[in-house]
Amino acid sequence: ETGVTQTPRHLVMGMTNKKSLKCEQHLGHNAMYWYKQSAKKPLELMFVYSLEERVENNSVPSRFSPECPNSSHLFLHLHTLQPEDSALYLCASSHPTANYGYTFGSGTRLTVV
Amino acid sequence: GENVEQHPSTLSVQEGDSAVIKCTYSDSASNYFPWYKQELGKGPQLIIDIRSNVGEKKDQRIAVTLNKTAKHFSLHITETQPEDSAVYFCAAANSGGYQKVTFGIGTKLQVIP
Repeated sequence: ETGVTQTPRHLVMGMTNKKSLKCEQHLGHNAMYWYKQSAKKPLELMFVYSLEERVENNSVPSRFSPECPNSSHLFLHLHTLQPEDSALYLCASSHPTANYGYTFGSGTRLTVV
Repeated sequence: GENVEQHPSTLSVQEGDSAVIKCTYSDSASNYFPWYKQELGKGPQLIIDIRSNVGEKKDQRIAVTLNKTAKHFSLHITETQPEDSAVYFCAAANSGGYQKVTFGIGTKLQVIP
């Protein structure tokens, strides 16, 4: 365990479903991130929350909706996804003002059918 | 924005040999360079990092070098072992505010026993 916990580990959903991914950390970090990992592509930054405020939204389609209710929890709400959204979704956390690297969770493997 | 190039994309070495992975970055403002190792079914894990005021850093069998003038940095693994087999990612970041990290595409390292 890295200290960043993601649930569920695997998710299969239809294109008309609504689901949510959850991320939780108790490392005292106050920046949290969602990344998308697809085969043969660099990790793609989706969203950044620093001190519970969204500070980055990298042109992510509106079918992905993040939520950060407090500094320990991060959600990614999914609705009307496309098959090309199938990927590994990684959550990470860090100190926002010092470069000590990210701590990643193990990810949620999402398959859209 | 920042662009990080990483090569090779795959690397096979005999157990006990050395492995070298090279990266270049484009943004001269980047000042923090972490390396991550991702094993199957897990999220990336920080293994070593280097800051722009340092040219080399070593931690047991792994070392990183940084050439700021040429915007190159490299990961060196000596005396490779089968458990070193994984995907390795280089990254570049700017320490201003929250961390905005740009990742390379990854190198799949296979250590052959």
